[in-house]
Amino acid sequence: DQQVKQNSPSLSVQEGRISILNCDYTNSMFDYFLWYKKYPAEGPTFLISISSIKDKNEDGRFTVFLNKSAKHLSLHIVPSQPGDSAVYFCAASAYSGAGSYQLTFGKGTKLSVIP
Amino acid sequence: DTEVTQTPKHLVMGMTNKKSLKCEQHMGHRAMYWYKQKAKKPPELMFVYSYEKLSINESVPSRFSPECPNSSLLNLHLHALQPEDSALYLCASSQAGGRLFFGPGTRLTVL
Repeated sequence: DQQVKQNSPSLSVQEGRISILNCDYTNSMFDYFLWYKKYPAEGPTFLISISSIKDKNEDGRFTVFLNKSAKHLSLHIVPSQPGDSAVYFCAASAYSGAGSYQLTFGKGTKLSVIP
Repeated sequence: DTEVTQTPKHLVMGMTNKKSLKCEQHMGHRAMYWYKQKAKKPPELMFVYSYEKLSINESVPSRFSPECPNSSLLNLHLHALQPEDSALYLCASSQAGGRLFFGPGTRLTVL
């Protein structure tokens, strides 16, 4: 059973417009939610995160919104740039003791920003 | 230094070879991880080390053997791998707040 779901495998957006990537989760025990950006054959790069007790976190062009009642989060990128084209993974974090965390990843959404 | 480094970047090995992947971080993180990622799939957790002790093993076959020599280093020893083990192997370390820092990965091909 998938605990973190990204239902859109791909998304195309015009340069300068808003990109909205969505993620749903089923486990209420997650502590943090994170977004990672990934290029082929490279490690995931951290983008932004949000604590489960917050509903919004903003960092420059990136904003993450969390709706706990709906178990839904979204990443907004405004304005979108061609360099944002990559696969975006939503991840949910649960503390697993002794300073470690277990991340559960969604399947990813491939974002293409068209110039 | 906010970087996780991994060597080698690429590795090709036969099914009878023994090789090791190496990972290093100097951020003072006390938890380190090995993940495996196949093309078009999310990363899958293999092992977690906390304070240099193995805390999680996600039912990984014994042909993969992790080792944590000290708080900055993490190794993954490989022996008698199968072609289906070909993948990108990612090392990560974590700080408080659930954020994992990933290395660039080792692209492993098993012939």
